[in-house]
Amino acid sequence: GAVVSQHPSWVICKSGTSVKIECRSLDFQATTMFWYRQFPKQSLMLMATSNEGSKATYEQGVEKDKFLINHASLTLSTLTVTSAHPEDSSFYICSAVHGTSNEQFFGPGTRLTVL
Amino acid sequence: AQSVTQPDIHITVSEGASLELRCNYSYGATPYLFWYVQSPGQGLQLLLKYFSGDTLVQGIKGFEAEFKRSQSSFNLRKPSVHWSDAAEYFCAVDDNQGGKLIFGQGTELSVKP
Repeated sequence: GAVVSQHPSWVICKSGTSVKIECRSLDFQATTMFWYRQFPKQSLMLMATSNEGSKATYEQGVEKDKFLINHASLTLSTLTVTSAHPEDSSFYICSAVHGTSNEQFFGPGTRLTVL
Repeated sequence: AQSVTQPDIHITVSEGASLELRCNYSYGATPYLFWYVQSPGQGLQLLLKYFSGDTLVQGIKGFEAEFKRSQSSFNLRKPSVHWSDAAEYFCAVDDNQGGKLIFGQGTELSVKP
């Protein structure tokens, strides 16, 4: 089956630093990837839509300068949390849309803790 | 506002008992409907989906869901729960059919031996 990986699986950083999270579709091409954020015991909230070769589309209330998204290839999208603060601590999940089947596959998530 | 509601935050059932997880949505038209399961340390896994046609949908792991337009519901069912079914379950909708999913709050399922 289609596999989506995320790296790192967890990261701890100091306040004010930037953190990059990678999302890769391992065995299929994905023209579209999505980034979600999940707080403990809560639902997934869509942050942005990442399209290969174009600028990401952000959901209302999501700061595009805070959460930089780059979809450089058909198998890789990155989310960079710039100048991270403790309130950015969360579980970040990506998904990739299979180019042929249009089915969406989710990565295992990245746990970000900002001290 | 458009929304997806899972009324039950936490459900506990005995192993072997039947299960029904509720999901209601508020959209003008019939959206694409999904049920996902999330286990600790793992990504969301698609259990089943409804786009159109037969309103009773069969999924993986013995799950099924029924779309009821009159009730704006898409409840998930399983006739006999296994201990390995303990996880978080999310109902989701794609109202514009472009892949952007709106998730419900999730229902945590616990299974008693």
